[in-house]
Amino acid sequence: EAGVAQSPRYKIIEKRQSVAFWCNPISGHATLYWYQQILGQGPKLLIQFQNNGVVDDSQLPKDRFSAERLKGVDSTLKIQPAKLEDSAVYLCASSFWGLRDTQYFGPGTRLTVL
Amino acid sequence: ILNVEQSPQSLHVQEGDSTNFTCSFPSSNFYALHWYRWETAKSPEALFVMTLNGDEKKKGRISATLNTKEGYSYLYIKGSQPEDSATYLCAQPNAGNNRKLIWGLGTSLAVNP
Repeated sequence: EAGVAQSPRYKIIEKRQSVAFWCNPISGHATLYWYQQILGQGPKLLIQFQNNGVVDDSQLPKDRFSAERLKGVDSTLKIQPAKLEDSAVYLCASSFWGLRDTQYFGPGTRLTVL
Repeated sequence: ILNVEQSPQSLHVQEGDSTNFTCSFPSSNFYALHWYRWETAKSPEALFVMTLNGDEKKKGRISATLNTKEGYSYLYIKGSQPEDSATYLCAQPNAGNNRKLIWGLGTSLAVNP
């Protein structure tokens, strides 16, 4: 079974530039998550989709971050414009919908904002 | 609001030592507890999903126990190896509409050869 795919793996940009990340979840997983992890902290949920609808985006900085999941499969996360504090690893995960269902993570994108 | 706590924050052991760390969580409205391992430069890997009080699960040299009445889970590693070096995260789903995981900050384990 193919895992969660993400691209790019690494990205270096200057502040005020834009960047986009792509995620392809495991086939059949209705729920897709975008996390931000800053070194030394636990994963912070940015946005959660159930099929193509947003379930939770309470911690998404909506003035600069946006995400979409067209057709309920692939998803993109965009940052525009980037700030220095956005330097982090961005993880995409997918799962079935139950409380006991495991989240499966992609390899992540390491973003460095200079 | 759930609050998941892990201790210790970091741990350094010698190869061959056995070790354990703790995840504490609210015991009310318990549904499940997840353990993940996150190695540097890799993606988090699911270890266990614990659901019943008294659960004990094992995967190779790693095992976990669950006490839902007092709100804690222990993760044990027997005979630590350098490849066990990673951050170990626990997470509890909230039972609200979004069912999102509430993550602990993790225990960072370093195993010295």
